[in-house]
Amino acid sequence: GENVEQHPSTLSVQEGDSAVIKCTYSDSASNYFPWYKQELGKRPQLIIDIRSNVGEKKDQRIAVTLNKTAKHFSLHITETQPEDSAVYFCAASRAFNDYKLSFGAGTTVTVRA
Amino acid sequence: SAVISQKPSRDICQRGTSLTIQCQVDSQVTMMFWYRQQPGQSLTLIATANQGSEATYESGFVIDKFPISRPNLTFSTLTVSNLSPEDSSIYLCSVPGDPYEQYFGPGTRLTVT
Repeated sequence: GENVEQHPSTLSVQEGDSAVIKCTYSDSASNYFPWYKQELGKRPQLIIDIRSNVGEKKDQRIAVTLNKTAKHFSLHITETQPEDSAVYFCAASRAFNDYKLSFGAGTTVTVRA
Repeated sequence: SAVISQKPSRDICQRGTSLTIQCQVDSQVTMMFWYRQQPGQSLTLIATANQGSEATYESGFVIDKFPISRPNLTFSTLTVSNLSPEDSSIYLCSVPGDPYEQYFGPGTRLTVT
């Protein structure tokens, strides 16, 4: 089955700086890569996703890049704000087939004011 | 995105008993998924619930422990049977969106004493 590795496990950044989280996946058939943000006591919320036919996608301060050859994808958050503090999960799936998500272990991001 | 509700939001159960969790969606969906999130951990897929057929379980999860019902296209239940403290987790249902996204319910926090 799919194995998704996520690094780092914790990340502390100064407000206004950038944060980068990296994930690798093992299943070359995976074609959909979402990122979720989970605040304490709340459900995971989809913040951005990318499909295998796209190399990069941006949404305001958030961007995701995908390297299919190397089987890795990354989340970039620019101009971090205190409300960006949360646990971030990457995931991968064969969306065209079964939608099942395999999650990374998560990254706890703390934005220092 | 679909509006997803779960009942109960939390419960404290004694070991050896069972808890049934309900998941309701405001629109018809072909697939529903059940995930487990152990304390401080990532999300792990338990099973896929399809209407009109038996649920498909992931490795490490069995029907006797996690029976699932899917009586119609908007509703599913997950039962966690013969509870032990190791079952203390958050249980989340999810449904696919359009075209590949997946959205989570608010979760059910189970504590086994």
